[in-house]
Amino acid sequence: GENVEQHPSTLSVQEGDSAVIKCTYSDSASNYFPWYKQELGKRPQLIIDIRSNVGEKKDQRIAVTLNKTAKHFSLHITETQPEDSAVYFCAASRPGGSYIPTFGRGTSLIVHP
Amino acid sequence: DAGVIQSPRHEVTEMGQEVTLRCKPISGHNSLFWYRQTMMRGLELLIYFNNNVPIDDSGMPEDRFSAKMPNASFSTLKIQPSEPRDSAVYFCASTLAGAGNTIYFGEGSWLTVV
Repeated sequence: GENVEQHPSTLSVQEGDSAVIKCTYSDSASNYFPWYKQELGKRPQLIIDIRSNVGEKKDQRIAVTLNKTAKHFSLHITETQPEDSAVYFCAASRPGGSYIPTFGRGTSLIVHP
Repeated sequence: DAGVIQSPRHEVTEMGQEVTLRCKPISGHNSLFWYRQTMMRGLELLIYFNNNVPIDDSGMPEDRFSAKMPNASFSTLKIQPSEPRDSAVYFCASTLAGAGNTIYFGEGSWLTVV
């Protein structure tokens, strides 16, 4: 089955700095890679996703890149703000009716004001 | 749509008691997931239903855990008997099955077994 590794487990940055979270996956058939943000005490919510037919996708201060050859994808947050502090999860899934995404272990991002 | 609805939001129970967690997926979604989240183990998939049928229950920890989905709009996760190590946040999530469909999580049920 799919195996998703996520690094780092904890990331501490100063407000205004950039933050990068990296994930690798094992199943070359995976073609959908969502990122979820979970604020303290709340549910995980999708913030951005990328499909295997594109290499990069951007939405305001967040961007995701995908390297299918190397089987890794990354989340980039620029100009970080304290409200970006949360746990971020990457996930990978393959096509088909049995859609079960595999999640990474999560990265706890702390943005210091 | 109100999103995925879970109940109870919080439950404190004594060891040995039965716990039932409930979930109403988003209308029109045909896939439902139960996850457990703890600090030590992260987000674990317990069971996955597609069109009300359990497809993968390999994540269910042991026989004390059971899940049902009697219809497209309701699912339960039952723990009997409960143990302190079952204390966790249990999330229900749903999606419309297919490649690249967003999974929507409920607010979670915070379970404490004392």
